[in-house]
Amino acid sequence: AQSVAQPEDQVNVAEGNPLTVKCTYSVSGNPYLFWYVQYPNRGLQFLLKYITGDNLVKGSYGFEAEFNKSQTSFHLKKPSALVSDSALYFCAVRDIRSGGFKTIFGAGTRLFVKA
Amino acid sequence: DAGVIQSPRHEVTEMGQEVTLRCKPISGHNSLFWYRQTMMRGLELLIYFNNNVPIDDSGMPEDRFSAKMPNASFSTLKIQPSEPRDSAVYFCASIRDGGTQYFGPGTRLLVL
Repeated sequence: AQSVAQPEDQVNVAEGNPLTVKCTYSVSGNPYLFWYVQYPNRGLQFLLKYITGDNLVKGSYGFEAEFNKSQTSFHLKKPSALVSDSALYFCAVRDIRSGGFKTIFGAGTRLFVKA
Repeated sequence: DAGVIQSPRHEVTEMGQEVTLRCKPISGHNSLFWYRQTMMRGLELLIYFNNNVPIDDSGMPEDRFSAKMPNASFSTLKIQPSEPRDSAVYFCASIRDGGTQYFGPGTRLLVL
């Protein structure tokens, strides 16, 4: 069975500093990995995904994520945080070997960026 | 594109009443997902359809919940009878050919 873990409930960072939101996953085959962001009272918005190829994936709003197969991780990063990045971030995994499109989401990490 | 459309956006009902949530996926998308989000349990996958056929409903909490997709442009999630513990935000999402999921704005349900 596939699963995804976000070990931190909350991440605090000062504006202008780099940020990292951690994600680890477990699948039986090759994973599709995703990051989404949710602002208050809104649906989830797609940020970026890894399917294959370059381990460093670039996405929206200056975010990027690095796929590390040996550590089964897909951490979200941004070189310089903005106050407007404060939101709830979800990592998600899809096990393509299962043949279906079932996508499992982590519990979410709340990011606070302080001015 | 209008994105995934959900209605109603907010629903307040009394325990025991029937609740129907509606979703219109993005045109051309062939898979549709229903999720429930609560503070305690996070984002849970309830059921998903591929080409209008239910593929995995293992996340549906109990028989009070049912979902249908009569055609490619419409799906419903029904709760009958509703209970206070069903209070949550319900999201619909759609994808095309196993691609990226796009989420609707959600329906905030409160069962009194």
